[in-house]
Parts: sequence; structure tokens; C-alpha cells
Amino acid sequence: ELKVEQNPLFLSMQEGKNYTIYCNYSTTSDRLYWYRQDPGKSLESLFVLLSNGAVKQEGRLMASLDTKARLSTLHITAAVHDLSATYFCAVDPTDSWGKLQFGAGTQVVVTP
Amino acid sequence: NAGVTQTPKFQVLKTGQSMTLQCAQDMNHEYMSWYRQDPGMGLRLIHYSVGAGITDQGEVPNGYNVSRSTTEDFPLRLLSAAPSQTSVYFCASGSRDTTEAFFGQGTRLTVV
Repeated sequence: ELKVEQNPLFLSMQEGKNYTIYCNYSTTSDRLYWYRQDPGKSLESLFVLLSNGAVKQEGRLMASLDTKARLSTLHITAAVHDLSATYFCAVDPTDSWGKLQFGAGTQVVVTP
Repeated sequence: NAGVTQTPKFQVLKTGQSMTLQCAQDMNHEYMSWYRQDPGMGLRLIHYSVGAGITDQGEVPNGYNVSRSTTEDFPLRLLSAAPSQTSVYFCASGSRDTTEAFFGQGTRLTVV
């Protein structure tokens, strides 16, 4: 059974500082996704990571994937209030195409 | 291009009632999925489909039925609603040719 673990589950950030969210998964994976969700809203796709060593960056967010360690990280640089949201990682198992397995989510609150 | 459309956005049911949550996509995607989101648990897969006429169970299928008669539509049926089915439901679609899973806006269901 595929397990996806995110940590931390809650992250209180100070504006201007750097933080990392971790996503571990228990089996081989073809694709790893990062999503953002604002309260009461749907999921917004941030990154799709397709291969070992993949690194993608958008603004203050950078995601990376290490398939050998079965680990992805979402790094936040110089946090700002607008990044307050819940962040999810999701894994698409190699043998179960289309069946995303989600982590529990990391609730991020950025304060001055 | 509407993407993934879910209806209704909100619904209140009495215990024992049945209803259908609608999901339609206009991107000609092969696979479609239904997830439920409960606080602190991320999204869990209910049912998914890899094409018209093909469906399979996900992690939490009990109490739900699906069918996929067309590529575009993937309705989720609650046979006899229970308070434990109070949740936010998301429909998603995707394709082997794309690198993203596209999510609908969600249906917030309350069973009283």
C-alpha cells in the first residue's frame, strides 16, 4: 500500500525567512505533484516532477524530487503573507496510473 | 474551455436520501477520478475510471457508485447518504499525454 507522508503538518512562518516542506512516499512513482489550496477553494497545481533530480521553480517556491530516497521537498524562500495556504503533495504510483495518493497537507501561515 | 465542471457546489441531504454529484470535462481526458477531502486527511480516492465503460474502486468506495458511459461525464452516486459522507468532493481528470491532473471546484456535501 502506497503511503505518502508530509511534514510538518503545520508551519508557522515569519515573513522573509526560508522554510522547507517534506514529502516522503513508500513506493516507486512515475509522477509527483505539488498543489496549493486556499480555504474553500479547489486545488491549484504548482509543480509536476517527472524524474529523479527534477527541480522546478516558480517565484519563491522551488520543488525537487529524489526518487531513490522517495523524497520530494518544497522550499519556500523569503516567505510572504500571500503564501499562506495548505500545500499538498501527491504521488501517481507507477502501476496505478491516474490514482493519486495525497499527503495529509501542510497548513502554512505566514505572519509579519 | 470549461475544464472540469462539478455540480452542485453545495448540497444538504437528509440521512438515507440518495443523490448524484455530477462531473463533466471537455478536454477529452481518458481518466477521471473522484476524491473526498476531510479535515486533516488530505484527499482520498473514492473511484476512478481510465476510459468509458471502465471503472475501479479507490481507497474509500463504500457507499458510492460510479459509471462512465461517455468520455466526458463521470457521475458519483450516493445510494443512501450517511453523516459520515459529509465532506468536500472533488472530481479530477487527466491524460497520459498531459502532466497535470485537473480538478473541479468541488462539491460541499452535508448529511444531517
